[in-house]
Amino acid sequence: GESVGLHLPTLSVQEGDNSIINCAYSNSASDYFIWYKQESGKGPQFIIDIRSNMDKRQGQRVTVLLNKTVKHLSLQIAATQPGDSAVYFCAVYSGGYQKVTFGIGTKLQVIP
Amino acid sequence: ETGVTQTPRHLVMGMTNKKSLKCEQHLGHNAMYWYKQSAKKPLELMFVYSLEERVENNSVPSRFSPECPNSSHLFLHLHTLQPEDSALYLCASSQEYRNSPLHFGNGTRLTVT
Repeated sequence: GESVGLHLPTLSVQEGDNSIINCAYSNSASDYFIWYKQESGKGPQFIIDIRSNMDKRQGQRVTVLLNKTVKHLSLQIAATQPGDSAVYFCAVYSGGYQKVTFGIGTKLQVIP
Repeated sequence: ETGVTQTPRHLVMGMTNKKSLKCEQHLGHNAMYWYKQSAKKPLELMFVYSLEERVENNSVPSRFSPECPNSSHLFLHLHTLQPEDSALYLCASSQEYRNSPLHFGNGTRLTVT
């Protein structure tokens, strides 16, 4: 089965600094990866995704890096803002829309 | 607006009550899901419906009963729940193809007393 872990439960970052949130997975057949953001009182919100045929993908202020060799996924947020404060978790797909494993989540706290 | 609407947002029920959670998606998706989110645990898949047929029942106790009358609506019927069932229940939808992101509602916060 798939296990998905995160390296840190809580990450505190100064406003304006860059944030890096990590995720490790175990199934080498995993082929699609998503980062979600969950603010307090809300459901998870899609941020960015990446497929296994890529190792980097950029969005607006966010970058996802995929290292298939060590089965590691990271989310980088540039110039972190107070509105970025939330729980971030990864989702790892290992066989289509029914085979999704989620990480526990990292709580990002932005210090003004 | 997430495109996936869940009601109610909060629910308190006794162990002998019967209640239902409702989910509606406005995204034209053909797969819908119920997930359970408990503190410090990853999301747990409960049920998946694809084209209105249940394709996944992830060893969920029978006190949870899903219903999907059409591709836009999903219900979770609750009866004789236990206090450990208290959690955030999230509905999601997606397109039914291999790698498609889930779109979540804001959840129903359920407290069983």
